[in-house]
Amino acid sequence: GAVVSQHPSWVICKSGTSVKIECRSLDFQATTMFWYRQFPKQSLMLMATSNEGSKATYEQGVEKDKFLINHASLTLSTLTVTSAHPEDSSFYICSAEPDRRSYEQYFGPGTRLTVT
Amino acid sequence: AQSVTQLDSQVPVFEEAPVELRCNYSSSVSVYLFWYVQYPNQGLQLLLKYLSGSTLVKGINGFEAEFNKSQTSFHLRKPSVHISDTAEYFCAVSDPYNQGGKLIFGQGTELSVKP
Repeated sequence: GAVVSQHPSWVICKSGTSVKIECRSLDFQATTMFWYRQFPKQSLMLMATSNEGSKATYEQGVEKDKFLINHASLTLSTLTVTSAHPEDSSFYICSAEPDRRSYEQYFGPGTRLTVT
Repeated sequence: AQSVTQLDSQVPVFEEAPVELRCNYSSSVSVYLFWYVQYPNQGLQLLLKYLSGSTLVKGINGFEAEFNKSQTSFHLRKPSVHISDTAEYFCAVSDPYNQGGKLIFGQGTELSVKP
């Protein structure tokens, strides 16, 4: 089946530093990938939609200069949290859509970010 | 804009008992509906989806859901649960004609299966 990986699975960083999270579709090509944020015991909130070769579309209230998204190839999208602060600590999950006609997203295992 | 309401935040149930997880959605247009399961510290796995056709949708792990347009509901059911079904369940909706593949998730229901 379709597999999506994320790296790293967890990361601890100091306040003010930047962290990059990778999302890869391992056995399919994905023209569209999505980035979500999940707080403990809460639902997933869509942050942005990433399309290969073009700029990401951010949801209202998400700072595009803080959460930089790059979808450089059909199998890789990256999310960089710049100048991280403790309130950015969260579980970040990506998903990839192999075929728009199936309307099915395959989710990565998530990355837990802790900012100290 | 669409929204999704999962009416129960927690559902405790004994093993081998039936379970229903409720989901209602709000939308002025036709939507696609999904149920996902999330095990601790993991991503989401698709259980089933409704795009069109039969309103009764069967998914993996013995789950099924019924789309009810008049009641704007998409409740998830399983006739007999196992301990391994303990997880968080999310209902989601998308508007494929206006918002592409964007998913709007409900708040989640924590299913706890007890022996």
